[in-house]
Amino acid sequence: EAGVTQSPRYAVLQEGQAVSFWCDPISGHDTLYWYQQPRDQGPQLLVYFRDEAVIDNSQLPSDRFSAVRPKGTNSTLKIQSAKQGDTATYLCASSFSGGYYAEQFFGPGTRLTVL
Amino acid sequence: AQSVTQPDARVTVSEGASLQLRCKYSYFGTPYLFWYVQYPRQGLQLLLKYYPGDPVVQGVNGFEAEFSKSNSSFHLRKASVHWSDWAVYFCAVSMNTGGLSGKLTFGEGTQVTVIS
Repeated sequence: EAGVTQSPRYAVLQEGQAVSFWCDPISGHDTLYWYQQPRDQGPQLLVYFRDEAVIDNSQLPSDRFSAVRPKGTNSTLKIQSAKQGDTATYLCASSFSGGYYAEQFFGPGTRLTVL
Repeated sequence: AQSVTQPDARVTVSEGASLQLRCKYSYFGTPYLFWYVQYPRQGLQLLLKYYPGDPVVQGVNGFEAEFSKSNSSFHLRKASVHWSDWAVYFCAVSMNTGGLSGKLTFGEGTQVTVIS
């Protein structure tokens, strides 16, 4: 069974540039998460979806970040105008909500550097 | 709000020696607790999970953890460390949202370095 895949694996941009990250969850997983992990810190949830609906985006900086999951499968996270403080690894995870508790499976992440 | 504290940012251990990583959580209610490991340039991998029940849980690669409600702790242990255990370890807590997957709150992580 294929795991969670993410692309690109690395991105380097100047401040003010835009960037998009793409995530393909495990087949059949209805829940998808985006986490931000600054260097030497733990992951912090940005947003998560159940199918195509946003369940919680309270930690997503809405002025510059956006996330969509239009068909309830793949997802895109976009940063409109990147800042140096956005430098971090962006992790995608997925899970299946059926059953007693749904384990989250993580992708390898996209390492973003904003110069 | 739920939170997790890992008081040790870095731990150095000799190969073959025992390892304990500390985790303290803050949560009102019954928590669901997890330990994840992150190898260099890789995503997070689940080591073990605690759901309400037996306080000692077994995980992969010889890891185990013990839940203590009185101490609000979920410490990770391994009897004999291997060089391949060199990684960053994260403790995480989640709430039970009635059978739906809840969001995870992570600690800051503990970097484990294995020396020969």
